[in-house]
Amino acid sequence: QSALTQPASVSGSPGQSITISCTGTSSDVGSYNLVSWYQQHPGKAPKLMIYEVTKRPSGVSNRFSGSKSGSTASLTISGLQAEDEADYYCCSYAGSSTYVVFGGGTKLTVL
Amino acid sequence: EVQLVESGGGLVQPGGSLRLSCAASGFTFSGHEMNWVRQAPGKGLEWVSYISNRGSTIYYADSVKGRFTISRDNAKNSLFLQMNSLRAEDTAVYYCAKFRYSYDFDFWGQGTLVTVS
Repeated sequence: QSALTQPASVSGSPGQSITISCTGTSSDVGSYNLVSWYQQHPGKAPKLMIYEVTKRPSGVSNRFSGSKSGSTASLTISGLQAEDEADYYCCSYAGSSTYVVFGGGTKLTVL
Repeated sequence: EVQLVESGGGLVQPGGSLRLSCAASGFTFSGHEMNWVRQAPGKGLEWVSYISNRGSTIYYADSVKGRFTISRDNAKNSLFLQMNSLRAEDTAVYYCAKFRYSYDFDFWGQGTLVTVS
């Protein structure tokens, strides 16, 4: 069960936009529109930010958006704010044998 | 308000056993699938195990298959993870997480730390 591939770190200045990629395979991201994204602040539990590739749960800022092309999903955060500094993880359904796989995580730094 | 509270973590020697519990409240526990997800110190999230709402369908990550057993007691709104033959690499914070039809985790507990040493 290989993890999805994310960049280790990204950074941006307040007000800017950043995009975090999440590359999988035809067995996971490429086959299902079941990609989710999680935000995790240090010492805290993960929080669901995006589900089914593009959907936002109630209460999540519309500055967060998701997309997918082929086997690569992306999370875009616009109008960066200091509070967005956190680790971000993507996750995908991967079929009944592997079931669920996470990305390795990306540390977002707001400069 | 949905609440998930894990317990049962601690220090255990390699080869030992530990049983984690997750007490759920604020939602109809028997109507939802549940999972365990872990995070080794300074590392990323790793899915561990899934159980359907009635417990009839169960999945495990290859890394724990044959050693861990997930179960639930819907009458007590509780989720469990029996961990046997523990290894150093099982050291992690273990989270219980509520699962949805869209294959995502919409609520997480605060986690319980398991240290195998």
